[in-house]
Amino acid sequence: GNSVTQMEGPVTLSEEAFLTINCTYTATGYPSLFWYVQYPGEGLQLLLKATKADDKGSNKGFEATYRKETTSFHLEKGSVQVSDSAVYFCALSDDFIGGSNYKLTFGKGTLLTVNP
Amino acid sequence: DGGITQSPKYLFRKEGQNVTLSCEQNLNHDAMYWYRQDPGQGLRLIYYSQIVNDFQKGDIAEGYSVSREKKESFPLTVTSAQKNPTAFYLCASAGGYGYTFGSGTRLTVV
Repeated sequence: GNSVTQMEGPVTLSEEAFLTINCTYTATGYPSLFWYVQYPGEGLQLLLKATKADDKGSNKGFEATYRKETTSFHLEKGSVQVSDSAVYFCALSDDFIGGSNYKLTFGKGTLLTVNP
Repeated sequence: DGGITQSPKYLFRKEGQNVTLSCEQNLNHDAMYWYRQDPGQGLRLIYYSQIVNDFQKGDIAEGYSVSREKKESFPLTVTSAQKNPTAFYLCASAGGYGYTFGSGTRLTVV
């Protein structure tokens, strides 16, 4: 079955530090890959996505590249801010349930804390 | 603005009681989902529905039930058969190329 493995947290960084959160996956076929962010007490928000090999998703200074050869989708940001403190989830989908609807498989999440 | 509304935000349940969590969306999405979130466990799929009057079990459906009588609504009932119901519950809908999540309901058994 499908699975997603994220680096375990928590991750604590100082403001303006470089961020990497590792994500690897196991899936049949050619999954789409996602990063979601969850702020305290809230639901998840889509941060970025990539739908095929070598695609790079990017948003708000975050980037991740779909690497099929290493089955990875690592999240990076060059300079983190205090406001980036949140839980980050890597996810994949290869189940298209008719049209655009599909099921997501999530990693366990990585808590990021950025200190001023 | 379009979105998903979950209510209540906090819910307390006594042992042996059934409780129902509400999820309403005005995004005109066909598919809706319920996830359970536990610390260190990520999100696990409870039930999903692709269309009105149809729904499918996810990975951890035991002790839960759902209905989908309207496109906009997908309530989740946590029954007394669920042995460990204390968790954060997230509802989502899917359309186009992405999920939209609600802000969640935190259920605590007292």
